Amino acid sequence: KQEVTQIPAALSVPEGENLVLNCSFTDSAIYNLQWFRQDPGKGLTSLLLIQSSQREQTSGRLNASLDKSSGRSTLYIAASQPGDSATYLCAVKGTTDSWGKLQFGAGTQVVVTP
Amino acid sequence: EAQVTQNPRYLITVTGKKLTVTCSQNMNHEYMSWYRQDPGLGLRQIYYSMNVEVTDKGDVPEGYKVSRKEKRNFPLILESPSPNQTSLYFCASSLGASGRFSTDTQYFGPGTRLTVL
Repeated sequence: KQEVTQIPAALSVPEGENLVLNCSFTDSAIYNLQWFRQDPGKGLTSLLLIQSSQREQTSGRLNASLDKSSGRSTLYIAASQPGDSATYLCAVKGTTDSWGKLQFGAGTQVVVTP
Repeated sequence: EAQVTQNPRYLITVTGKKLTVTCSQNMNHEYMSWYRQDPGLGLRQIYYSMNVEVTDKGDVPEGYKVSRKEKRNFPLILESPSPNQTSLYFCASSLGASGRFSTDTQYFGPGTRLTVL
């Protein structure tokens, strides 16, 4: 059974520092990996989706890498801002799961201090 | 605006009182799903639907029912809620089983916070 782990569970950095968030998964048979942002009282916002054939995806200050063979993904957020404070979740869509099902990690709670 | 909506957003109820949480999407998506989120456990899938009248269990279906009579709506029904169903619930949708397994992004609703006393 696929297990998704995110370490650390919480992270606090001063504004301007780069953020590095880690996600690991146990089964490399995946279609894709998705990074979400969750703000209190709001839903999940998709940040980046990396297909299993890709190594990385970029959007603005965000860059996500995927090493499928080692079961790891990293989300980099450059030059962090207080507005980046949120919980970040990674989720994988496995080829052996029911179609469409996402397996989520428990998330990393990020606080960016001014 | 493309979106997934849920109602109510907050609900406090008592054990055994039937309730329904509605979910609606305006993107003509085939696939819809319900998740619950609990501290330390992440999001876990309750039920999903591949299309109208096609539903199946996820990882934690006990105590829940769903129906998919229309493409846009996917209500979650708790026939006899219990305190262990106190949680944050999310509805999600995606385009569907059109072969785009690797590129299909899921869109999530704002969540429903349910408390069962």
